[in-house]
Amino acid sequence: DARVTQTPRHKVTEMGQEVTMRCQPILGHNTVFWYRQTMMQGLELLAYFRNRAPLDDSGMPKDRFSAEMPDATLATLKIQPSEPRDSAVYFCASGLTPDGGRVGGKQQETQYFGPGTRLLVL
Amino acid sequence: KQEVTQIPAALSVPEGENLVLNCSFTDSAIYNLQWFRQDPGKGLTSLLLIQSSQREQTSGRLNASLDKSSGRSTLYIAASQPGDSATYLCAVKDNFNKFYFGSGTKLNVKP
Repeated sequence: DARVTQTPRHKVTEMGQEVTMRCQPILGHNTVFWYRQTMMQGLELLAYFRNRAPLDDSGMPKDRFSAEMPDATLATLKIQPSEPRDSAVYFCASGLTPDGGRVGGKQQETQYFGPGTRLLVL
Repeated sequence: KQEVTQIPAALSVPEGENLVLNCSFTDSAIYNLQWFRQDPGKGLTSLLLIQSSQREQTSGRLNASLDKSSGRSTLYIAASQPGDSATYLCAVKDNFNKFYFGSGTKLNVKP
């Protein structure tokens, strides 16, 4: 049963500390998404990778957030320095988009979500 | 900017009822629309994905329809069960690879 895994599941830290969240996409998936979910803002897309290359990170605060894919089996989201307003649940999702982009004229892109990392910054 | 709205925000129905969840979007130039389910404390589970050229998709007791011109999608759940209780979110992908999520409809199916 292939699943997206995320670590840690919970993180409590103090303001100013560095936080690193990790995601293992489903083996064979070539697309990885990072989302943030809060009660106030709902679900927001932070960053989006295809074949390990960042396609869109416009939703991510650049001054403190960074997202990388060191290899095809690991995606990381780092916050440095963390602030109380970063408290949220961070989800990673992966999917499979055929290389070249199109199948029958349209892309197939179902997203599979991980369980999330619940972050609390004090 | 695309805006996705889901109405109602919460819905409570007795078991066995058929029900409809609504999703509307402001820009009809979408690439696809996806319905998700989220259980408390969990991630999202994809239910149905409708490409922009399609009108509907079905999976078991679920049927999702898409009317791009009017900016609407509905998720129909037949013969609801207590296990269907969850928050249902719709998400629109535009032609620039951006995703926009609605705020969800929290469904409670009472035994």
